[in-house]
Amino acid sequence: DAGVIQSPRHEVTEMGQEVTLRCKPISGHNSLFWYRQTMMRGLELLIYFNNNVPIDDSGMPEDRFSAKMPNASFSTLKIQPSEPRDSAVYFCASSPRWGNGAEQYFGPGTRLTVT
Amino acid sequence: AQSVTQLDSHVSVSEGTPVLLRCNYSSSYSPSLFWYVQHPNKGLQLLLKYTSAATLVKGINGFEAEFKKSETSFHLTKPSAHMSDAAEYFCVVSRGSTLGRLYFGRGTQLTVWP
Repeated sequence: DAGVIQSPRHEVTEMGQEVTLRCKPISGHNSLFWYRQTMMRGLELLIYFNNNVPIDDSGMPEDRFSAKMPNASFSTLKIQPSEPRDSAVYFCASSPRWGNGAEQYFGPGTRLTVT
Repeated sequence: AQSVTQLDSHVSVSEGTPVLLRCNYSSSYSPSLFWYVQHPNKGLQLLLKYTSAATLVKGINGFEAEFKKSETSFHLTKPSAHMSDAAEYFCVVSRGSTLGRLYFGRGTQLTVWP
């Protein structure tokens, strides 16, 4: 079975440009999570969805960040405009269940560099 | 409130010697606990999880962890380290009041010397 798929794997862009990160969760999973990982701040939860509905977006750092999940098999994280401090690895994860004890399965990540 | 504390940011061991990665948690509820591993430039992989069944949990690659409620600990162990175990390890907790959400520790970097 394919795991969580993220694209692109690497993205280099200039400050001010729009960046769109994509995620395809594992088929049948009903929860999806976006994380950001940096050396300084570690792993941060940005937003998560259950059955395509955003549940908690309190981790989204600024209004420049937005996320959508138009259907059960696709989600996007958009940054507009991008800034150098957005440089990080962005992970998408999905979970087969909703609730305490539900494990998450992570994608390989998108390494974003904003110059 | 709840949190996860990984007591060591770096652990170094020689190949063939035991591994101990320490984790303490605080939670107002009966927690579920996980260990994830991240190899360089890779995503996080689930090693094992505890969800109120047996207190000794066996995971992949020979790792196991023991849930000790009295000590609020969930330490990860392996009897004999292998070079391929070199990676970053995350202790993770979830609780019922924030369904679906996981709380990650800051990670422990494991180095394995030949």
